[in-house]
Amino acid sequence: GAVVSQHPSWVICKSGTSVKIECRSLDFQATTMFWYRQFPKQSLMLMATSNEGSKATYEQGVEKDKFLINHASLTLSTLTVTSAHPEDSSFYICSARDPRGGAMYEQYFGPGTRLTVT
Amino acid sequence: AQSVTQLGSHVSVSEGALVLLRCNYSSSVPPYLFWYVQYPNQGLQLLLKYTSAATLVKGINGFEAEFKKSETSFHLTKPSAHMSDAAEYFCAVANAGKSTFGDGTTLTVKP
Repeated sequence: GAVVSQHPSWVICKSGTSVKIECRSLDFQATTMFWYRQFPKQSLMLMATSNEGSKATYEQGVEKDKFLINHASLTLSTLTVTSAHPEDSSFYICSARDPRGGAMYEQYFGPGTRLTVT
Repeated sequence: AQSVTQLGSHVSVSEGALVLLRCNYSSSVPPYLFWYVQYPNQGLQLLLKYTSAATLVKGINGFEAEFKKSETSFHLTKPSAHMSDAAEYFCAVANAGKSTFGDGTTLTVKP
């Protein structure tokens, strides 16, 4: 099956600094990737839809200036948390849609990135 | 608009017992439905999916789910629970390129 990787798997940063998280589709080209945020014991919350070569589409309530998304190639999308604060600490998960697949709307998920802001 | 309701945030079963995790959906168009499993500090792994073919869908690890349009349900079952099934389970509905997830059900398996 399609494989999606994320890097780093965990990161600790100081308040006020920026952190970049990478999401890669390893064996397919993904024109669309998704970024989710998950708080402990809660469900996934869609933050934004990342489209290759165009601006990301953010969900209501998500600050686009704080969570910068760049989908510069068909295999890479990045999420940058700018001026991070402790409340940004969370588990961030990306997913990608494989256009080759027969099942529409099936997403392949990365392993997630645990962000801790101190 | 679409939504998913998972009934029961926690389900506990004995090893070898039937597993039943409930999911009801709401969708304005015929849905694509998914069940995912998540182990601690990991991403989501697809268990099975419904894409308007057979209403009884078989997935990995012995799980299956039945799509019932009249009940707007897509409950997940497994005849005999194993200790390794203990995890968080999410039901999701997809439409127009977006997925909406339920709140999740934590499955505990007692020895």
